[in-house]
Amino acid sequence: EVQLVESGGGLVQPGGSLRLSCAASGFTFSTFWMSWVRQAPGKGLEWVAKINQGESDKRYVDSVKGRFTISRDNAKNSLYLQMNSLRAEDTAVYYCARDPNRWGDYDYWGQGTLVTVSS
Amino acid sequence: DIVMTQSPDSLAVSLGERVTINCKSSQSVFYRSNNKNFLAWYQQTPGQPPKLLIYWASTRESGVPDRFSGSGSGTDFTLTISSLQAEDVAVYYCQQYYSSVTFGQGTRLEIK
Repeated sequence: EVQLVESGGGLVQPGGSLRLSCAASGFTFSTFWMSWVRQAPGKGLEWVAKINQGESDKRYVDSVKGRFTISRDNAKNSLYLQMNSLRAEDTAVYYCARDPNRWGDYDYWGQGTLVTVSS
Repeated sequence: DIVMTQSPDSLAVSLGERVTINCKSSQSVFYRSNNKNFLAWYQQTPGQPPKLLIYWASTRESGVPDRFSGSGSGTDFTLTISSLQAEDVAVYYCQQYYSSVTFGQGTRLEIK
């Protein structure tokens, strides 16, 4: 059974940093593109970042470029999102999602982890 | 960026009735080289992550009931539920993955 479990969310002050993790199981993690997608409270979905199997291709939405870094450890079946210089508008539930076709149709999602940026 | 616009924002339909949700993209998401529309539909129930229903505009994901269907091409797409069931109450999102990834604003579906 495919499982994606996010962790690392919490309350952080504006300008602070947080590292999210996503533990994958039930599939060959190293063969899939992966993404982070976020959802602000009561709002819609926003793609944040994606990464290919070997970390040679990383892409970001404009609003997080230069502040967020996506990475992965295939030996640990884990996906990460390092978030720096956090802003109030980054407050959201962050989901990791599996990208089976590399294009962005996500067939499995984690339950999400809540990041709250507030003083 | 490609802007996805859904209509309506919300709707209430009686059990057993047909549901139609529309999605329009600001530019075509049809890729001639593989003859596919880079368009997906998701269902999100309260407190849950989104669930993939349809990809390539009309291909139903494994395990999705056949009352769900997707149609359209280019810039105009439709998600249809042939006979509304109580468990279909949710917010539905369209998504393009032709150029980066963007989602529609969502359509909230309720029971009348």
